[in-house]
Amino acid sequence: DAGITQSPRHKVTETGTPVTLRCHQTENHRYMYWYRQDPGHGLRLIHYSYGVKDTDKGEVSDGYSVSRSKTEDFLLTLESATSSQTSVYFCATQTSGYNEQFFGPGTRLTVL
Amino acid sequence: GDSVTQMEGPVTLSEEAFLTINCTYTATGYPSLFWYVQYPGEGLQLLLKATKADDKGSNKGFEATYRKETTSFHLEKGSVQVSDSAVYFCALNTPQGGSEKLVFGKGTKLTVNP
Repeated sequence: DAGITQSPRHKVTETGTPVTLRCHQTENHRYMYWYRQDPGHGLRLIHYSYGVKDTDKGEVSDGYSVSRSKTEDFLLTLESATSSQTSVYFCATQTSGYNEQFFGPGTRLTVL
Repeated sequence: GDSVTQMEGPVTLSEEAFLTINCTYTATGYPSLFWYVQYPGEGLQLLLKATKADDKGSNKGFEATYRKETTSFHLEKGSVQVSDSAVYFCALNTPQGGSEKLVFGKGTKLTVNP
């Protein structure tokens, strides 16, 4: 399994506060992704990265920003958290081509 | 755009029953197809994959065949166990603009009772 860790694993925060979630990988995979998982919606892509400092938006990017200053780290920031951002967030990595993605264990975020 | 449709759940079966979870897709080009499994409280794990038409992916007793003519990739298992209880996601992967993104179905929750 690809070595993917996410931190924190659980977080409770208040509306309007900034939140940063971290994804760290040890496999030197080129591509990294942030998803959110909500009941009835499956997984939805928030942002992804195809290299250091190269990122792009997914289907639900509003209210989120990302940064990737090193191959191994991909940060997801909620500038001002809202209750609609309560979700489980998954990070994933991929080498390239038609390959599978490897997922981290997830972060459960609750915004009160 | 590309999309994946899988059968609505939840699915409840008795141990040793036969399982089929339907998955159909719409895609431009020639996608790779995947089934992922998510056990309670965990992230997604790759269960099996197929990269071209007529390929059969298999793992842990699960099988799925890439059917280009029917744009389908149905998941099957001949005899399910309680430990197979999980959420199953069908997905496809097509390169777009130099990057690769997975498109997921909404997931099918399977519960297997003893």
